[in-house]
Amino acid sequence: NAGVTQTPKFQVLKTGQSMTLQCAQDMNHNSMYWYRQDPGMGLRLIYYSASEGTTDKGEVPNGYNVSRLNKREFSLRLESAAPSQTSVYFCASSEISRTYEQYFGPGTRLTVT
Amino acid sequence: QQQVKQSPQSLIVQKGGISIINCAYENTAFDYFPWYQQFPGKGPALLIAIRPDVSEKKEGRFTISFNKSAKQFSLHIMDSQPGDSATYFCAAPTGTASKLTFGTGTRLQVTL
Repeated sequence: NAGVTQTPKFQVLKTGQSMTLQCAQDMNHNSMYWYRQDPGMGLRLIYYSASEGTTDKGEVPNGYNVSRLNKREFSLRLESAAPSQTSVYFCASSEISRTYEQYFGPGTRLTVT
Repeated sequence: QQQVKQSPQSLIVQKGGISIINCAYENTAFDYFPWYQQFPGKGPALLIAIRPDVSEKKEGRFTISFNKSAKQFSLHIMDSQPGDSATYFCAAPTGTASKLTFGTGTRLQVTL
């Protein structure tokens, strides 16, 4: 049982480049989430997907898009990266009735220069 | 929009002492209020959670106290150990309880 996996672990982008962060879970969870973590700002929700086929904006969605590819996979895309998107990105998943119990991946550290 | 205010930002406690972290929320859906623990280089992990109709929950050395009327809840770590050194996040259920809003985190250091 791998839990929640994320790729890549580290990435450096130049301003304007695009990339997709991948996330997969093997716990058969319906709900999946993308957060960013910045010093002093805590964890802020970018997008979430309550179930396969649905996605909703979180607190800080601007500059990002998501795809819920299937029940297991939830990807986050940066179309035109900006230095303000330098952050650590976490994917998480939960059972739909247990939102408070989220399982997090190991994170992707992204630097945009 | 939910806001969760967490304090202090950082905390240094001696081994064996009590660590106390506080959170205040504005609005809530009826669901559990969790605390998460995060070690450097790792993702956060659920530590303990409390239902909003309960005033206190204890699991080992960790206790959540919940004051619904004041919209505040706190984490107490008794007999703090160096292995407890981590960042702690509180969170509140938001909207239709389909998501969480996290506090800004407290970096706890337990010294020998």
